[in-house]
Amino acid sequence: EDKVVQSPLSLVVHEGDTVTLNCSYEVTNFRSLLWYKQEKKAPTFLFMLTSSGIEKKSGRLSSILDKKELFSILNITATQTGDSAIYLCAVDATNAGNMLTFGGGTRLMVKP
Amino acid sequence: DVKVTQSSRYLVKRTGEKVFLECVQDMDHENMFWYRQDPGLGLRLIYFSYDVKMKEKGDIPEGYSVSREKKERFSLILESASTNQTSMYLCASSLPGGSHRNEQYFGPGTRLTVT
Repeated sequence: EDKVVQSPLSLVVHEGDTVTLNCSYEVTNFRSLLWYKQEKKAPTFLFMLTSSGIEKKSGRLSSILDKKELFSILNITATQTGDSAIYLCAVDATNAGNMLTFGGGTRLMVKP
Repeated sequence: DVKVTQSSRYLVKRTGEKVFLECVQDMDHENMFWYRQDPGLGLRLIYFSYDVKMKEKGDIPEGYSVSREKKERFSLILESASTNQTSMYLCASSLPGGSHRNEQYFGPGTRLTVT
């Protein structure tokens, strides 16, 4: 059974801090790993990672994948209160057809 | 922009009622999904459809059924609602498998309370 585990479950930081969110997975026939940000409503797509060692960046957010150790990290530098959200990691495995397996999410709260 | 809409943001139903949750997407996506989201459990897949009238069970299909009569619309049905189905329900759509961009686009969610 495919499994995706995120840590920590929740995190409280102050504005300006840097945070690292973790996602580990156990799947057969890995295809890609995706990160989503969920504020009050629908999760919104952040990154898709398919290759090890290639960092994806978008502003203060960056993510990298390690296919040997089966994990990914999402870094947020100089956090702002608007970064407060649940961050979801999901894995697409070819044996699962088009389905994504989601982790439990990390709830990030950034205090002013 | 992909738009995925859900029929209700908040819904309160009684135990034993039949409940319909509707989802519509406007991007001609083949794949549509229904998830429920509960604290600490993340998103769990209930059902998935890859074409009109086609469906596959996800991780937690018990107590639910689905209908996909038109490509743009995917309905989730609770035949007889129970209190343990109180949850946030999220619909999503995506391009078919094999696409180089396989991210799912989510609707705003329906918070269902069963009393």
